[in-house]
Amino acid sequence: EDQVTQSPEALRLQEGESSSLNCSYTVSGLRGLFWYRQDPGKGPEFLFTLYSAGEEKEKERLKATLTKKESFLHITAPKPEDSATYLCAVQARGSQGNLIFGKGTKLSVKP
Amino acid sequence: DTGVSQDPRHKITKRGQNVTFRCDPISEHNRLYWYRQTLGQGPEFLTYFQNEAQLEKSRLLSDRFSAERPKGSFSTLEIQRTEQGDSAMYLCASSSQGGGLIIAPYEQYFGPGTRLTVT
Repeated sequence: EDQVTQSPEALRLQEGESSSLNCSYTVSGLRGLFWYRQDPGKGPEFLFTLYSAGEEKEKERLKATLTKKESFLHITAPKPEDSATYLCAVQARGSQGNLIFGKGTKLSVKP
Repeated sequence: DTGVSQDPRHKITKRGQNVTFRCDPISEHNRLYWYRQTLGQGPEFLTYFQNEAQLEKSRLLSDRFSAERPKGSFSTLEIQRTEQGDSAMYLCASSSQGGGLIIAPYEQYFGPGTRLTVT
């Protein structure tokens, strides 16, 4: 069964304290791995797509990487406005495109 | 580009009543998805349309749920005889099918969601 597990469930950082979020996945053929940011009461906001192992993508203080079994979202020198829940999702080959999500990591960045 | 919109944003209903939600996707997107999200969980897939055809339904979509996309543009999700367990955020997403567009294939863009509370 296709599955996504994110860790930790919650992460508290001081402003400027870099860290990484983990997304482990098992899927019957990976079409793509997606990172989203979700603020309370809002829909997920698209961040990155990764398609193959070794791929990396960056956006401001965020950098996403992918291996054959997991993905990391690295946050460099975070700011309070980076506080949100970060969701990881996979899309399996042979699916109609539906995403399988993890439960997310709730990030809090204190000034 | 106005993004994906959903209406209403919030709905409170009594158990047993019917409710209908609307989703307007990004205009050039031919794929539309419905997901449900409960507190502390990631979104869970419900159903998927390509143009006006409903191509996949999750086992989560009981007989009380029905979705339509009559002209391949906006979509509606109806829940009949609501139950307290239906309380959740209902999310709509859309994507293109690739073909050299600026938006890469299969990336889904979400709307703000409709928060349903069944009392």
